[in-house]
Amino acid sequence: GENVEQHPSTLSVQEGDSAVIKCTYSDSASNYFPWYKQELGKGPQLIIDIRSNVGEKKDQRIAVTLNKTAKHFSLHITETQPEDSAVYFCAASITAAGNKLTFGGGTRVLVKP
Amino acid sequence: DAGITQSPRHKVTETGTPVTLRCHQTENHRYMYWYRQDPGHGLRLIHYSYGVKDTDKGEVSDGYSVSRSKTEDFLLTLESATSSQTSVYFCAIRTGEGGSPLHFGNGTRLTVT
Repeated sequence: GENVEQHPSTLSVQEGDSAVIKCTYSDSASNYFPWYKQELGKGPQLIIDIRSNVGEKKDQRIAVTLNKTAKHFSLHITETQPEDSAVYFCAASITAAGNKLTFGGGTRVLVKP
Repeated sequence: DAGITQSPRHKVTETGTPVTLRCHQTENHRYMYWYRQDPGHGLRLIHYSYGVKDTDKGEVSDGYSVSRSKTEDFLLTLESATSSQTSVYFCAIRTGEGGSPLHFGNGTRLTVT
């Protein structure tokens, strides 16, 4: 089955700096890659997603890049703010197989004021 | 939370007792999922459902069973709880077809003593 690895496990950045989280996946058939943000005591919330026919997607301060050949994808957060502090998860799935998401282990991001 | 209610939110139970967790959705979506979240493991799929009485196993299904007798309810049962099943359990729904994102509830924290 699919295996998703996520790095780093923790990330501390100064407010205003950029944060980058990287994920690799094993199954070349995976074609859908969402990113989730989880705040304390809540369920994961989708922040951005990308499909395999797209190399990059942006939404305000958040961007995701996908390299299908290397089987890795990354989340970029620019101009970080204290409210960006949370745990972030990457995931991968094959949309034709019930969209069963396989998650990475998570990255705890701390934005220091 | 995309109209998802999980109950109970917290539960403490003893080893060997049966436990049932409930996920209720208000929007009649076809796909529903149960995940467990443990430190360092991200979220792992236990079971999912693609319609009433239609269910399938995920990667960590041993020790769990599910039932879906109505579109809006997806039940997760631990027949005989063990300490290794201490975890936070999340229900999710898929709100569209194909590569649509999953939306998660706020979780049930289960402690097996």
